[in-house]
Amino acid sequence: KAGVTQTPRYLIKTRGQQVTLSCSPISGHRSVSWYQQTPGQGLQFLFEYFSETQRNKGNFPGRFSGRQFSNSRSEMNVSTLELGDSALYLCASGGQGALGYTFGSGTRLTVV
Amino acid sequence: QKEVEQDPGPLSVPEGAIVSLNCTYSNSAFQYFMWYRQYSRKGPELLMYTYSSGNKEDGRFTAQVDKSSKYISLFIRDSQPSDSATYLCAMSADTRGSTLGRLYFGRGTQLTVWP
Repeated sequence: KAGVTQTPRYLIKTRGQQVTLSCSPISGHRSVSWYQQTPGQGLQFLFEYFSETQRNKGNFPGRFSGRQFSNSRSEMNVSTLELGDSALYLCASGGQGALGYTFGSGTRLTVV
Repeated sequence: QKEVEQDPGPLSVPEGAIVSLNCTYSNSAFQYFMWYRQYSRKGPELLMYTYSSGNKEDGRFTAQVDKSSKYISLFIRDSQPSDSATYLCAMSADTRGSTLGRLYFGRGTQLTVWP
């Protein structure tokens, strides 16, 4: 069974640019959550999507947005990048009968 | 006060030692408790999943939940160098539908097991 696929694995962007990250969940899973991980703050919840609807949103500015497609694949977008957005962005896949969430390997974003 | 508190360590033990990792939390609505292991440059990997209070054992790993004290623990017996990783506790209160909703994570404890 394929795991959670996140692309790209690494990304370097300049301040002010925007970026789109992609996540393909485990086949059959309809829930996709996004987390930001930094050494200072640990894992912080960004948002959760279930069947194309955002069910929950964390405490991040409006520059952070996401969406989920009918095939459950999800994208998150960060506009007007700031240096502080440098982090590992993790996607988690969840589904009925699954215990806990399965995480992808993440996208490491560096803003310079 | 963060909702989930976890001592970041680092924790360094010799091979074969028993390791104890702990988290405390403040939200009494949490019902689902998890431990994740994260190796360097990888995403977190689910180790243990527990619902409500009690103990759960899986091989060398034992998870304990004490909801009355708002305290959870992970014990690793006969620790191995391959157990060297960051261990994250996570919790959820969400009972919606078929998923856990938002997870609340501890900061993670960095563990090194030396041969």
